Amino acid sequence: QITLKESGPTLLKPTQTLTLTCTFSGFSLSTSGVGVGWIRQPPGKALEWLAVIYWDDDKRYRPSLKSRVSITRDTSKNQVVLTMTNMDPVDTATYYCARATNEMATTYFDHWGQGTLVTVSS
Amino acid sequence: SYELTQPSSVSVSPGQTATITCSGDKMRNNYAYWYQQKPGQSPLLVIYQDTKRPSGIPERFSGSYSGNTATLTISGTQAMDEADYYCQAWDSNTEVFGTGTKLTVL
Repeated sequence: QITLKESGPTLLKPTQTLTLTCTFSGFSLSTSGVGVGWIRQPPGKALEWLAVIYWDDDKRYRPSLKSRVSITRDTSKNQVVLTMTNMDPVDTATYYCARATNEMATTYFDHWGQGTLVTVSS
Repeated sequence: SYELTQPSSVSVSPGQTATITCSGDKMRNNYAYWYQQKPGQSPLLVIYQDTKRPSGIPERFSGSYSGNTATLTISGTQAMDEADYYCQAWDSNTEVFGTGTKLTVL
């Protein structure tokens, strides 16, 4: 059974740095074709992809956020960490981590965590 | 930036067929993926690589594509299918999600 769970702060002040951890089980981030991604969803709005890290440590970022976002992994702990600097109220959203499958030169998300709501407010 | 356009809302009567489209300039050369999201829940993958259904997804969900448009079809729509639906594609090493469609089963 594949599970993912996000953890981290629920409330941040503007300019602070967000650090979210995705702890997963049921798969290995060392397996070829496997990755973990982060996707967020502002209240009442659409999904927005942020970043993905793959089995070979390759990383991809949303171009508009590339300067603020970093994704890393700890394969031994089955964890992936998302860091986002200089948080702003517009970054208020539910943040999801999801298992990524890379097939046929594309990536999709076949298992999702429950999500964690992060609010940015002074 | 790459965009995927979906109708904001679609309404269907129970038992009828619902169709949700996803259009983008580069859809012709990219696989489409579809996710269902019910209120308060995480997204669920319902179609991958244009036409394939993951294990456990009912047969009434199907996907197709033509030119720059991918389509999600729900045949014999049930009340439990009422949800938001998002398409997704991978292009130039970045993921893009569609604008989302609210499916209402009247």
